[in-house]
Amino acid sequence: SAVISQKPSRDICQRGTSLTIQCQVDSQVTMMFWYRQQPGQSLTLIATANQGSEATYESGFVIDKFPISRPNLTFSTLTVSNMSPEDSSIYLCSVEQGGGTEAFFGQGTRLTVV
Amino acid sequence: KQEVTQIPAALSVPEGENLVLNCSFTDSAIYNLQWFRQDPGKGLTSLLLIQSSQREQTSGRLNASLDKSSGRSTLYIAASQPGDSATYLCAGRGAGNMLTFGGGTRLMVKP
Repeated sequence: SAVISQKPSRDICQRGTSLTIQCQVDSQVTMMFWYRQQPGQSLTLIATANQGSEATYESGFVIDKFPISRPNLTFSTLTVSNMSPEDSSIYLCSVEQGGGTEAFFGQGTRLTVV
Repeated sequence: KQEVTQIPAALSVPEGENLVLNCSFTDSAIYNLQWFRQDPGKGLTSLLLIQSSQREQTSGRLNASLDKSSGRSTLYIAASQPGDSATYLCAGRGAGNMLTFGGGTRLMVKP
């Protein structure tokens, strides 16, 4: 199984600022996924990040708000830009192995915007 | 579009009890179903993965079943312990290789 390191594990940020979340995987993977989990809710996919190409965003998420980098096959970053209290959530990085059949997650970043 | 539902949303049981968590999905064209555990404010830990061709998977005190025809999966936890207290999420993988998550069941095991 993949080991995923995500940081920071939590942060409290002022509204209007930006936060970049890092995700490091212990093996090379084609796709990395970023999810958001709002308080009391389940997971929603933000975007899929492929190395060497622009990320693919799901409906309701845009690149200006959630820019993503994928510089190599083991690392990705998600930035939450111009934050508002509504961005307070847990953000999770995920990869898939076994031919894309099994999903593994990082420990999450708990973001609070004040 | 796949929809995944988990019932109950919350469950409280005394230590030692056997329990069943339920997960239902609307699209039977499912490739696999995965059960996760999530501790408060943390990420997801994969517990069990059931492929569409399988009926069940077991790991220690956990047993997960899959019935595609009825659109249901169950997670059975034997001899529950306080350390099992967490939120349990199921996720179905369907068309486009997308994962669709249920809302989770928040489990409390009381000593």
